[in-house]
Parts: sequence; C-alpha cells; structure tokens
Amino acid sequence: QKEVEQNSGPLSVPEGAIASLNCTYSDRGSQSFFWYRQYSGKSPELIMFIYSNGDKEDGRFTAQLNKASQYVSLLIRDSQPSDSATYLCAVNLKNFGNEKLTFGTGTRLTIIP
Amino acid sequence: EPEVTQTPSHQVTQMGQEVILRCVPISNHLYFYWYRQILGQKVEFLVSFYNNEISEKSEIFDDQFSVERPDGSNFTLKIRSTKLEDSAMYFCASMGGGATRPANVLTFGAGSRLTVL
Repeated sequence: QKEVEQNSGPLSVPEGAIASLNCTYSDRGSQSFFWYRQYSGKSPELIMFIYSNGDKEDGRFTAQLNKASQYVSLLIRDSQPSDSATYLCAVNLKNFGNEKLTFGTGTRLTIIP
Repeated sequence: EPEVTQTPSHQVTQMGQEVILRCVPISNHLYFYWYRQILGQKVEFLVSFYNNEISEKSEIFDDQFSVERPDGSNFTLKIRSTKLEDSAMYFCASMGGGATRPANVLTFGAGSRLTVL
C-alpha cells in the first residue's frame, strides 16, 4: 500500500514567521513530489514541484526533498494570513507518463495576524 | 493559464438515481483523472484515462462507476445508482504541460459537489 503521511494539524504560525510542513512517503520508487494548496471548499492548486534531492525555492516557498529518508517538506517564509489553507503533499511514482498522484491527508495551516 | 472546467458545480440527487458529472480537460492534455474528496477527508484517486481507455482504477471505482470521453473535449463520470456514501466533491484533473508547468503536473477543475439524499 503506497502511503503518503502528513501531520493533519492544525498548525498555527504567527504572521511573518516561517511555516514548516512535513510529509513522508512509503514507496521508495517515487519520482516526483508536489505540494498543493487547498482553500476550504475549493480545488487543490499547485504550489511547488520537486524531483531531485535538495532544496527548490520559488518566492516565499521552499520545497525540500530527501529521498533516502523518504521525506519532503515545504517551508513558507514571511507567512501571510492568505497562506491559511490546507496543504496537500502528493507523490507520483513516475516522472512522466500516465501515473496517478497519491495524496496525503493534508496539513491545515492557520496564520495568526 | 488554461483551465479544467466542471459541471455542475453542485448536484443534489436521491439515492438510487444516476448522476453524470462533466469535465472539459485542458485541450492539449492527454491524461485525464477523476478524484473524489469526502468532506474533511483526503483527496482520493478514482480513475485515470488515456487514449480512450481506462489506464488505472482504484478499489472505490466499482461497477457503479464509469467514465467516457464521448467527443474530443468532454470527459464524464457516471454513477449508475447513487448511494449515500457517494456524497463528496468530485474533482476532474488533466495532466500535461503548459507555459509555466511541466508535463506531469495535475491541474484540477473547481469540482462538482454531489449530495445524495
């Protein structure tokens, strides 16, 4: 059973601080990793994707991947109230091709003004 | 950025009735998916579709479910005889590249909320 695990939260972070979201996955063959943001009642929207070990930065967001530890994380710097949402970690077994994403349960993040 | 469009946004139906949810994937995408999310729970894979056939389906996707691509643009999910536990948000997604994203990224539609009474 291929699993993606996340702490469901809620995680509360003061405005302007760094929010750290974590995810572990069970399948060592996983090749690509995604973070989606989901506002209540809305669909998931892509925040970051990462394929290689290390860090990847995009604006206030940094994704970190450690395949040896089967661990992927998302850092949000200078957290804003608009960042309050559920963050979904998703894993794909293949880089390309018809393969599904498996999602974690999501971590609910609240930014406190 | 191109969008995946879904209709209806909300459908209420009686238990035992048939429901068809419709989706228009992004035009140059080749892989199509249905996911569902029961309120407060995780996003769950239902089925993937490529080259006019199902490529993978989950345990949830039993004989009550079917998918079809009736023409070059629409992708539908049919539930033949709805049950109370089918109440959920159903998301259509397509996979393919774009101006700002690589080819293996899923783009989701806004969802169709199904309420079974």
